[in-house]
Amino acid sequence: EPEVTQTPSHQVTQMGQEVILRCVPISNHLYFYWYRQILGQKVEFLVSFYNNEISEKSEIFDDQFSVERPDGSNFTLKIRSTKLEDSAMYFCASSRTSYNEQFFGPGTRLTVL
Amino acid sequence: RKEVEQDPGPFNVPEGATVAFNCTYSNSASQSFFWYRQDCRKEPKLLMSVYSSGNEDGRFTAQLNRASQYISLLIRDSKLSDSATYLCVVNYPRDGANNLFFGTGTRLTVIP
Repeated sequence: EPEVTQTPSHQVTQMGQEVILRCVPISNHLYFYWYRQILGQKVEFLVSFYNNEISEKSEIFDDQFSVERPDGSNFTLKIRSTKLEDSAMYFCASSRTSYNEQFFGPGTRLTVL
Repeated sequence: RKEVEQDPGPFNVPEGATVAFNCTYSNSASQSFFWYRQDCRKEPKLLMSVYSSGNEDGRFTAQLNRASQYISLLIRDSKLSDSATYLCVVNYPRDGANNLFFGTGTRLTVIP
């Protein structure tokens, strides 16, 4: 069964450093998303991406965040200058259409020291 | 106002029990509704979509009341493996996007 994959599973970084989180969505899906979950809190929407551009972004997705689909398979989330409060689990998701169910990857746990 | 509200629980029930979770959502324009389950430190996994007519999948039954903006999940004959956090999830439809809004989740523990 096709699934969303994410790498790395855990990333530790120093405050102020740049990180890139990688995702490979399900191959026939057209809509891609990033969510984050701070430990003990709910899953929060960050950004949606379709047709090589951002469809919508939340207030959390400020100028330090960017997304890219550099090739036909990868979908990346870049955090330019990490802050302590960026420590969270980051989930990538994809869906076939804008109304279908979204399927989530296993997440990348980001720890900012 | 929270977009999706759930009773956080925890619900501790014996094996074989029936348990029900409720959820309310604030945006009447929402069109898609889901229940996801999340195990500790894992990703949300789709449990079932929720349709207006109600739907059942084995021991799980989901109901939607659009007038009251209310969603429910019923689990019959609880198993130990049902222990997880159950997330009520609602979409906010916009052009070209289908952003999901999650409730905080209801924690279920099924006790032997």
